[in-house]
Amino acid sequence: QKEVEQDPGPLSVPEGAIVSLNCTYSNSAFQYFMWYRQYSRKGPELLMYTYSSGNKEDGRFTAQVDKSSKYISLFIRDSQPSDSATYLCAMGGYNFNKFYFGSGTKLNVKP
Amino acid sequence: EAQVTQNPRYLITVTGKKLTVTCSQNMNHEYMSWYRQDPGLGLRQIYYSMNVEVTDKGDVPEGYKVSRKEKRNFPLILESPSPNQTSLYFCASRFSSGSRQETQYFGPGTRLLVL
Repeated sequence: QKEVEQDPGPLSVPEGAIVSLNCTYSNSAFQYFMWYRQYSRKGPELLMYTYSSGNKEDGRFTAQVDKSSKYISLFIRDSQPSDSATYLCAMGGYNFNKFYFGSGTKLNVKP
Repeated sequence: EAQVTQNPRYLITVTGKKLTVTCSQNMNHEYMSWYRQDPGLGLRQIYYSMNVEVTDKGDVPEGYKVSRKEKRNFPLILESPSPNQTSLYFCASRFSSGSRQETQYFGPGTRLLVL
């Protein structure tokens, strides 16, 4: 069983839609939860970071962590064509040295 | 400009021919790490380094070596590459302490093909 599971998509939505991206994980020791965005032929860039359970909002992006269900989500409001990319969830334990990534969900926002 | 650089960006080699992929960062980060990215498997951590002369294995270290002699550089060495090491490789770095520790910066990637 993989440490982190993520639906690869692709997910295609019209511009302005609300997008929901999700990951599940198996290791209850994970405490740090991150979402990265990766454009084609580029390295990942950090979008959101949360520690432990709860919600965090940054502009059009909201990250949610439910540690009891081992489930994390990223919501994108008012999605734009520029949001078209692959979104990777990532998790780390208490020492924040080893990281585990999901396989990524490819998102396409149509104008 | 703050950045992580990798060289080469593209490399085609043959089985068994030793190669080194270089990684350099100009942000004075203590922590550096190498990942490989494969379709359906996502990013998997190969090795990481907490600081100069301090390295440790990630999830998939077999067939790789690293060294950290200087803070800014963290080369990835494949002593005897095999076709299953064909992949897209990323180097990353971040600060190790304080509130900034969560921001990991990635390089542009090195695409390796081993024939």
